[in-house]
Amino acid sequence: GENVEQHPSTLSVQEGDSAVIKCTYSDSASNYFPWYKQELGKRPQLIIDIRSNVGEKKDQRIAVTLNKTAKHFSLHITETQPEDSAVYFCAETNSGGYQKVTFGTGTKLQVIP
Amino acid sequence: KAGVTQTPRYLIKTRGQQVTLSCSPISGHRSVSWYQQTPGQGLQFLFEYFSETQRNKGNFPGRFSGRQFSNSRSEMNVSTLELGDSALYLCASSLEDRATETQYFGPGTRLLVL
Repeated sequence: GENVEQHPSTLSVQEGDSAVIKCTYSDSASNYFPWYKQELGKRPQLIIDIRSNVGEKKDQRIAVTLNKTAKHFSLHITETQPEDSAVYFCAETNSGGYQKVTFGTGTKLQVIP
Repeated sequence: KAGVTQTPRYLIKTRGQQVTLSCSPISGHRSVSWYQQTPGQGLQFLFEYFSETQRNKGNFPGRFSGRQFSNSRSEMNVSTLELGDSALYLCASSLEDRATETQYFGPGTRLLVL
């Protein structure tokens, strides 16, 4: 996959509200979709991922949905907390089966206490 | 297990010089990928190595090169540095080189080119 669009680029929510970040991709052969969280000055860390044979995955307050027909996937964070403030990157992989991750441009999430 | 480590953490170079960055993957991981992170371009894939072989390459000029050693440690080299090469260079390791493998990032090397 060569192109991943991510929206919005910035997002401010009140503590306790939900946050949704959306990504679209172009390569129909893409089959793995990880989400990374990068706090200021720190390395990106995987928070959740989904494979193409699954439509939804949930881990506590975080969920990811995948619509392969429409080629988009979304990150949902419920009951947001100040420590959720970070930059979130979506990504997709498929390159003949080998590692070649294409990242979205990132969403800066600010959770206002 | 120790995480991915990168050295050096910070580097200042001048235009025209060359630089070598090092990445040690998590023990047992055989795939190492390199990324360039800039405020304007986000995270961009440079290349990926597995068992000392480059499997994939991003859209970067030939000034960017890399290699992997038999112990899976990897180095990347940038020759004839340009101002635009200033960035955070991240490496990530995974157990295998399959596209569906989870990657673990190192802390990065911040390169400043003056």
